[in-house]
Amino acid sequence: QSALTQPPSASGSPGQSVTISCTGTSSDVGGYNYVSWYQQHPGKAPKLMIYEVNKRPSGVPDRFSGSKSGNTASLTVSGLQAEDEADYYCSSYAGSSLVFGGGTRLTVL
Amino acid sequence: QLQLQESGPGLVKPSETLSLTCTVSGGSISSSYYYWGWIRQPPGKGLEWIGSIYYGERIYYNPSLKSRVTISMDTSKNQFSLRLSSVTAADTAVFYCARGRNWNYLERFDYWGQGTLVTVSS
Repeated sequence: QSALTQPPSASGSPGQSVTISCTGTSSDVGGYNYVSWYQQHPGKAPKLMIYEVNKRPSGVPDRFSGSKSGNTASLTVSGLQAEDEADYYCSSYAGSSLVFGGGTRLTVL
Repeated sequence: QLQLQESGPGLVKPSETLSLTCTVSGGSISSSYYYWGWIRQPPGKGLEWIGSIYYGERIYYNPSLKSRVTISMDTSKNQFSLRLSSVTAADTAVFYCARGRNWNYLERFDYWGQGTLVTVSS
């Protein structure tokens, strides 16, 4: 299995919106609605932000949203805040296995 | 509040076996609602799923690591463990244990340990 493809970096100014893509294949992202997104600050463990493509766990701000079209899933962060600066990883069920994306570093300008 | 804590040697020699344990507190690893997993992150790189275990009997491994990995559970101690054999420097990473939801689709990890750095070096 190959890692899902994410852009290495993304950026936006405070208050703006930014979208991070996560591209897989019909064997993972395109085949199942089980895509999750994680936020990771330096030196910290990942934190679940989105699951099942577009669901938010309790406590995650509604500024974070997820979607999927075909083999590509997306995470959108609206109303960017300084605290959103972090690495973001997508993951997808891939039929008896799990695959992560390579990660995207989000910079708040 | 559920807590997970990884433990094990921080330094392992090449060709030897890496062994880590995750101790879970605030919840039972025998619960049918959850499964348990190991994820690693080489320094400065991304996350890689190693494998997951459910009910101590059902186990999935990353195909790329399957020949070297063993995951097991000890319900009496509320722990689950990872063994990775024949390690090389490429196995140097921060290793995380985590709780997963929805075993049938290896769904989201909602609780993570703090992670432990394991360095492979002679």
